[in-house]
Amino acid sequence: EAGVVQSPRYKIIEKKQPVAFWCNPISGHNTLYWYRQNLGQGPELLIRYENEEAVDDSQLPKDRFSAERLKGVDSTLKIQPAELGDSAVYLCASSNKTKYYNEQFFGPGTRLTVL
Amino acid sequence: GDSVTQMEGPVTLSEEAFLTINCTYTATGYPSLFWYVQYPGEGLQLLLKATKADDKGSNKGFEATYRKETTSFHLEKGSVQVSDSAVYFCALIDHGSRRALTFGSGTRLQVQP
Repeated sequence: EAGVVQSPRYKIIEKKQPVAFWCNPISGHNTLYWYRQNLGQGPELLIRYENEEAVDDSQLPKDRFSAERLKGVDSTLKIQPAELGDSAVYLCASSNKTKYYNEQFFGPGTRLTVL
Repeated sequence: GDSVTQMEGPVTLSEEAFLTINCTYTATGYPSLFWYVQYPGEGLQLLLKATKADDKGSNKGFEATYRKETTSFHLEKGSVQVSDSAVYFCALIDHGSRRALTFGSGTRLQVQP
């Protein structure tokens, strides 16, 4: 079974430029997460989708960040315009809800460097 | 809000040494607890989990026990190997609230031959 796929793996841009990240979750997983991991820190949730609905986007900086999951499968996270402080690893994860907990499977991440 | 506190690294050990990485948590509800591992150049992988008090999660020789009275979930391994060198993250899910993982800041383990 294929894992969570993310692309690109690395991206270097100049500040004020736009950037987009793509994620394809594990087949059949209805929940999709985007996390941001700053250097030396643990990941922090940006947005969570249940199918195509964004059910938790309270930590998403909506002035510059946007996300979509139009058909409830793959998802795109966009930053426009990027700032220096956006340099981080952007992680996508997916899960299939179980009775007790929803184990999340992570992709390899996209490392963004903003110059 | 929910939070996870881990001991700072790096932790440097010799092969076959005993490992403990401390983790304590704060949660408004009744969380499930996890340890994730991130090997160099790879994504986060679930190492072990525990869903209720006194549960012991175990995998690959690592163990952690869910201690509700001390709000702790310390990771232990009796004999570490060079291949265990990685960053370890303690995390929780509070089922009553956000249903997303809250992570600690990670602890880097370096095992020397």
